[in-house]
Amino acid sequence: GQQVMQIPQYQHVQEGEDFTTYCNSSTTLSNIQWYKQRPGGHPVFLIQLVKSGEVKKQKRLTFQFGEAKKNSSLHITATQTTDVGTYFCPNAGGTSYGKLTFGQGTILTVHP
Amino acid sequence: EPEVTQTPSHQVTQMGQEVILRCVPISNHLYFYWYRQILGQKVEFLVSFYNNEISEKSEIFDDQFSVERPDGSNFTLKIRSTKLEDSAMYFCASSDYRLASETQYFGPGTRLLVL
Repeated sequence: GQQVMQIPQYQHVQEGEDFTTYCNSSTTLSNIQWYKQRPGGHPVFLIQLVKSGEVKKQKRLTFQFGEAKKNSSLHITATQTTDVGTYFCPNAGGTSYGKLTFGQGTILTVHP
Repeated sequence: EPEVTQTPSHQVTQMGQEVILRCVPISNHLYFYWYRQILGQKVEFLVSFYNNEISEKSEIFDDQFSVERPDGSNFTLKIRSTKLEDSAMYFCASSDYRLASETQYFGPGTRLLVL
């Protein structure tokens, strides 16, 4: 089945620094979704990318889907303490039922 | 904005007791899911539910677990005889009926503690 690996596992930044997390798949993905989970919170959907080479922006967040649809990145410009949390690119199961398989994600801490 | 709700927010129970966790999915969604997250670990899929039946379940979802949609709004997860290792945060999620691979909206979770 599809394997999606995410790096780094941890990232510590000073407030104002940029942050990037990457997801890489061994196979072509039909789409990729990004979620964020704040400490003690629940996963919250951020975005879905579908097209090859797609780039989407949400304020300071930039999401990219690779040309081969095998990798994706999330870049945060000028991090703030509110960006703290774990960022995931769960692997959709490939079935019609949409099961999400979460990895460990990237845990972001932001030092004020 | 519509959201998934879950009750209770916290549940403490004795080992061997039955618990029922409740969820109200977003009203026009037809795909429903339960996930769990043991403290400090990753979110794990338990079960998906569509058209009043289980569509997929994980190895974790053994005979002690069951799900039900007793009416048009609630979606429940029952654990028949809880074990210590069932202690976790349980998240319900729902998805739009048109494409199950669309966004899943998660509820705030029920923190279950088995003593």
